Amino acid sequence: NAGVTQTPKFQVLKTGQSMTLQCAQDMNHEYMSWYRQDPGMGLRLIHYSVGAGITDQGEVPNGYNVSRSTTEDFPLRLLSAAPSQTSVYFCASRLGLTNEKLFFGSGTQLSVL
Amino acid sequence: GEDVEQSLFLSVREGDSSVINCTYTDSSSTYLYWYKQEPGAGLQLLTYIFSNMDMKQDQRLTVLLNKKDKHLSLRIADTQTGDSAIYFCAENPTGTASKLTFGTGTRLQVTL
Repeated sequence: NAGVTQTPKFQVLKTGQSMTLQCAQDMNHEYMSWYRQDPGMGLRLIHYSVGAGITDQGEVPNGYNVSRSTTEDFPLRLLSAAPSQTSVYFCASRLGLTNEKLFFGSGTQLSVL
Repeated sequence: GEDVEQSLFLSVREGDSSVINCTYTDSSSTYLYWYKQEPGAGLQLLTYIFSNMDMKQDQRLTVLLNKKDKHLSLRIADTQTGDSAIYFCAENPTGTASKLTFGTGTRLQVTL
């Protein structure tokens, strides 16, 4: 199984550019989420989804949009990138809505100049 | 809001025991987790403990939970160079089944 796949692994953007970070899982997981990881701040939840067609905001949603049109995919969109969005982004999924473990992708390192 | 705190860095010699500590604020958390992040990779679940337990042992790993002090620790016996990584504790506060709150992470360095 591929698990959770994120693309791209690295990306450099200019301020104001837009882009989409892709996340796909092949485990039929209901729950998917996006985190950002910054030095000294751990992981912070951006957006999450509890099933196709359902999304909700996490701790730091501003500047990001998500959609969940299929169970497998959960893309994260930056409409107008800012330097404050320079970070490492992780997608994570789990089977249900309770307390099973999260499966993480390998991350996308994003730099906004 | 919930806050999970960890020290940022720990250095131990190969063969010694490592103890990574974590404090959390939400006493209603039903599960507490330890995740490991190796360089350039995502997080992987190491172990977890139910809030009604004081201790859980899994091979070289021992998790201790002190609910009164809201303190969680991870002990790694016979630490190996392959244990070098960042370790995150996380809690799942009641009422937020869809969200995990992660600590800041502790970087474990294992020296020869």
